[in-house]
Amino acid sequence: GAVVSQHPSWVICKSGTSVKIECRSLDFQATTMFWYRQFPKQSLMLMATSNEGSKATYEQGVEKDKFLINHASLTLSTLTVTSAHPEDSSFYICSAQTGWETQYFGPGTRLLVL
Amino acid sequence: TQLLEQSPQFLSIQEGENLTVYCNSSSVFSSLQWYRQEPGEGPVLLVTVVTGGEVKKLKRLTFQFGDARKDSSLHITAAQPGDTGLYLCAASYRGSTLGRLYFGRGTQLTVWP
Repeated sequence: GAVVSQHPSWVICKSGTSVKIECRSLDFQATTMFWYRQFPKQSLMLMATSNEGSKATYEQGVEKDKFLINHASLTLSTLTVTSAHPEDSSFYICSAQTGWETQYFGPGTRLLVL
Repeated sequence: TQLLEQSPQFLSIQEGENLTVYCNSSSVFSSLQWYRQEPGEGPVLLVTVVTGGEVKKLKRLTFQFGDARKDSSLHITAAQPGDTGLYLCAASYRGSTLGRLYFGRGTQLTVWP
């Protein structure tokens, strides 16, 4: 149980294009989903917290117009990187929360912007 | 500001050795989780501890939660190459955004055969 999937697992795009990443909780309903960014050999950096049916809460320094988050249902949240640039290349990970404190993580999406 | 201090940042040991990873905070946790992450994958939950003084064991891994709920440790006995990975502690605090986890910097463990 508590499986979270992400799609795609990796994506290569040209600079200036937009990329959408999906995060799904497969066998449970998640009231909250979180989006993280991770650089090589470093820890996870929280980008935003997403609650179903409401606007996402972004961490300080994260541009909400750059990283669009939509939480359409209790099992799906999407992150769209708009007008991607090489500095947006990173490993993006989502997590879904069940209960008050347990987060289950997706397998991550590797984004490479050329 | 890094709420969680995790150490050491890197560990490189031989198979069979023991090791301990530490996670400390100046604030009291409501709960603390330990995760293990392999390259190109998401973190996998190892354990959640919520009670001060709690000790949990997972095969060769022993997790301790300090009595004051401000520190935790992960001890691995007789490490194996399969233990190689990034170990992350993450804590939640009362009064913070519901469900928000604060991560330590991570400990990159390499176990050589």
